[in-house]
Amino acid sequence: DTAVSQTPKYLVTQMGNDKSIKCEQNLGHDTMYWYKQDSKKFLKIMFSYNNKELIINETVPNRFSPKSPDKAHLNLHINSLELGDSAVYFCASSSGALAGATDTQYFGPGTRLTVL
Amino acid sequence: AQKVTQAQTEISVVEKEDVTLDCVYETRDTTYYLFWYKQPPSGELVFLIRRNSFDEQNEISGRYSWNFQKSTSSFNFTITASQVVDSAVYFCALLRGAGTALIFGKGTTLSVSS
Repeated sequence: DTAVSQTPKYLVTQMGNDKSIKCEQNLGHDTMYWYKQDSKKFLKIMFSYNNKELIINETVPNRFSPKSPDKAHLNLHINSLELGDSAVYFCASSSGALAGATDTQYFGPGTRLTVL
Repeated sequence: AQKVTQAQTEISVVEKEDVTLDCVYETRDTTYYLFWYKQPPSGELVFLIRRNSFDEQNEISGRYSWNFQKSTSSFNFTITASQVVDSAVYFCALLRGAGTALIFGKGTTLSVSS
């Protein structure tokens, strides 16, 4: 059983297009995250949601908009794609801010976005 | 400010050598969590270990061992008798608390040749 899944795994698109990446977790976790890994492999948080509520919103262009329809899903929509958006985007989930929770973050397989 | 430093950018070893990956962290929090993740060439991020700041007991799991020392703010990772399948990028990360973001080091690329 896949714990954290993302679709698509690869996404190649033209500058200016709008695209979405979907993430689903079946771990029963309350908190989900989006991280971006750049070409130098550096990983940085973009957003996190706890029970469908936005709790972390790093300095990210507002062309990026996360949406959480329920606590098992966190999608990432990107408008007007730019060359610099090319990266690998990872979704993750954890049991979140519950007292005593083991807050290990488990990652999806990643989505490699290439903007041409 | 929170920070994780992995000073070794790349390490190359020959199979069966032991290798230690260094991680130094900075935080003013008294409670925090440290992690190691592995990213093999296939690209996924695999959780390896989690250590709480109040638990300095070192751990051994098969060929892997971890040495956590609060006095030097270090959380080093050793692979004994390395194998080609250990070739990957290894990330050390710091977490301030449940529900917060992982702060990653820049990673150490380990190449194990046969």
